[in-house]
Amino acid sequence: GESVGLHLPTLSVQEGDNSIINCAYSNSASDYFIWYKQESGKGPQFIIDIRSNMDKRQGQRVTVLLNKTVKHLSLQIAATQPGDSAVYFCAENGAGGTSYGKLTFGQGTILTVHP
Amino acid sequence: DTEVTQTPKHLVMGMTNKKSLKCEQHMGHRAMYWYKQKAKKPPELMFVYSYEKLSINESVPSRFSPECPNSSLLNLHLHALQPEDSALYLCASSPTGLTDTQYFGPGTRLTVL
Repeated sequence: GESVGLHLPTLSVQEGDNSIINCAYSNSASDYFIWYKQESGKGPQFIIDIRSNMDKRQGQRVTVLLNKTVKHLSLQIAATQPGDSAVYFCAENGAGGTSYGKLTFGQGTILTVHP
Repeated sequence: DTEVTQTPKHLVMGMTNKKSLKCEQHMGHRAMYWYKQKAKKPPELMFVYSYEKLSINESVPSRFSPECPNSSLLNLHLHALQPEDSALYLCASSPTGLTDTQYFGPGTRLTVL
């Protein structure tokens, strides 16, 4: 079946470092990917998205890279700050048919930023 | 208004109680969703409403009953729940329900005694 997963369950960095969070997906037909940040006691917060016709997309301090050849997604956070500490989820939005609207999440990576 | 709101924030109920969770958005989105999230796990999709019609039910037990009274409101009616149903229940909305971004509310923390 379809699955979206992460290589590293935890990531610990120093304030000011760059962080990279990785995600693997298995459905080659997936055409839309989203990164969410979830702080303790809160709902997932949209960070950035990318469609399958792109390889890279940049936001404010964040960059998402998509490698369709190896079905790999990454989130890069520049100059990581303590406020970036959270659980980060990648998510795949179903590609057509009955999968429309079905968001499948990866297992999550816990990012801890030390001052 | 660019947010999804959920009430209540916390709910404690017994296994014989009937309660409802409420979700509201005023972004003009036409798709709304219910997710269940257990501790240290990712959200799991329960239901999808598209243009006020139920389009996806992920084989959720009938003790969970969704309702979409209009395009801005989504309810989840709860009856005869089990302790294992204790979780964070998240509501989300998206513009069309196709491959577009889903925006989440803060969730309702449900405890079933």
